[in-house]
Amino acid sequence: EPEVTQTPSHQVTQMGQEVILRCVPISNHLYFYWYRQILGQKVEFLVSFYNNEISEKSEIFDDQFSVERPDGSNFTLKIRSTKLEDSAMYFCASRGRQGANNEQFFGPGTRLTVL
Amino acid sequence: GDSVTQMEGPVTLSEEAFLTINCTYTATGYPSLFWYVQYPGEGLQLLLKATKADDKGSNKGFEATYRKETTSFHLEKGSVQVSDSAVYFCALMDTDKLIFGTGTRLQVFP
Repeated sequence: EPEVTQTPSHQVTQMGQEVILRCVPISNHLYFYWYRQILGQKVEFLVSFYNNEISEKSEIFDDQFSVERPDGSNFTLKIRSTKLEDSAMYFCASRGRQGANNEQFFGPGTRLTVL
Repeated sequence: GDSVTQMEGPVTLSEEAFLTINCTYTATGYPSLFWYVQYPGEGLQLLLKATKADDKGSNKGFEATYRKETTSFHLEKGSVQVSDSAVYFCALMDTDKLIFGTGTRLQVFP
C-alpha cells in the first residue's frame, strides 16, 4: 500500500542552524501539507501546497519557514534559523486529486530537537 | 475560529470494556469530521469520518455519529482490545486544512 515517508526520523540541531525536513508524498497525489505537534500539545496546521505554490499558511509559518517541491517526488520544509520553540514532531501529509474532504495521508513524522 | 475539544487522557480500560472518547467542535459551518489514530512510532491514520449531520462513520468496530444539535462527534467501541492502545485525535476540516483536538491516549490492559 502506498505511503508517505519522511526523513530523518529524528533531527537534532543547534539553535540558529538551518534544517530541512524531507517528505516523499504518495506518488499520484497533488496536494501537500505540513503539520507540527509540540510535545503534549495539539497537532497544528502549518502550510498547504498545490501546483508549486502555497495555498494556505498559518500564522506559525513565518518568514523562517519555507516549503519546496524540488523534483517530482520530494516535498521539503526548511527552517532557516531554528529556535528552541521549533522543537516538535513535524508531520507531512498528502492527498489525491478529489475534493477537499478526501483523506489526507500522513507520514510517520520527524522529531526535531533544537538545543 | 474553528476548534475541536476532546476529553483528556489517558483513558485506561480493561480488554472488552466499552470505550467512549468525547469530542465537541466549534465551527461556523458544517465541516467534515474525522477521527485519526496514532499507534506508537507511527503517523496519523484516518480511523473514520463523517461529512454531514447524522452521518455515522465506522471502522474496525469504532463508530462516531455527527451530531449537529450538540456539535459532537464522540468515538465509541463496544469491546476494546489491547491492540487498540494508541492516541486518538478528533479533527474537523476547515477549507483544506485539518484542525485537531489535543488527542486522547487510550491504554487497554489484558
